Amino acid sequence: DVKVTQSSRYLVKRTGEKVFLECVQDMDHENMFWYRQDPGLGLRLIYFSYDVKMKEKGDIPEGYSVSREKKERFSLILESASTNQTSMYLCASSFLLSSGTSGFSTDTQYFGPGTRLTVL
Amino acid sequence: QKEVEQNSGPLSVPEGAIASLNCTYSDRGSQSFFWYRQYSGKSPELIMFIYSNGDKEDGRFTAQLNKASQYVSLLIRDSQPSDSATYLCAVNRDYGQNFVFGPGTRLSVLP
Repeated sequence: DVKVTQSSRYLVKRTGEKVFLECVQDMDHENMFWYRQDPGLGLRLIYFSYDVKMKEKGDIPEGYSVSREKKERFSLILESASTNQTSMYLCASSFLLSSGTSGFSTDTQYFGPGTRLTVL
Repeated sequence: QKEVEQNSGPLSVPEGAIASLNCTYSDRGSQSFFWYRQYSGKSPELIMFIYSNGDKEDGRFTAQLNKASQYVSLLIRDSQPSDSATYLCAVNRDYGQNFVFGPGTRLSVLP
């Protein structure tokens, strides 16, 4: 069974604190993703990683960094939390598949349960 | 123009009716299309994916893809109150490793 877990369901931090959100998948997926979800804005990609120690910026990377030291684990770091980073954070993972001569196509993304972060 | 667009809803249908959810996308190079369901306070879960033009059926769900018109839709037959949720359309970027999600359509199935 597919399993993506996140370190916390709810988290409350203060402005300026350093925040770590951790995601672990047990499916041997190459790709891992961090999103935030806000009402009216939908899911927005922060960072993703397609291999250990590799990372790519998504649409809204400002104020965030990531770390992928092991294949199964992908961490999102808020260096200095701000109130506008209050949000639901979702981690996802997927296989990296080859679609034949067309190149690579992302497979289904499986999501963790989410972490609702409040920054006061 | 946003990359992936959906009507935000709410879309209300009576129990037993067909619910039709639509999604348009701007990147002509997109190859993979996904429908996720998200209950309030929960994370998205996959319903279906479709890669080729035409229809793909899975139980009460049918995904339809028209690449020429750049739209993908989801039909839910015999809608149940338990189908009430937000439905997210996701499209991969041209041979890219990541998706772009639409804002979601909130569906309400009335008993």
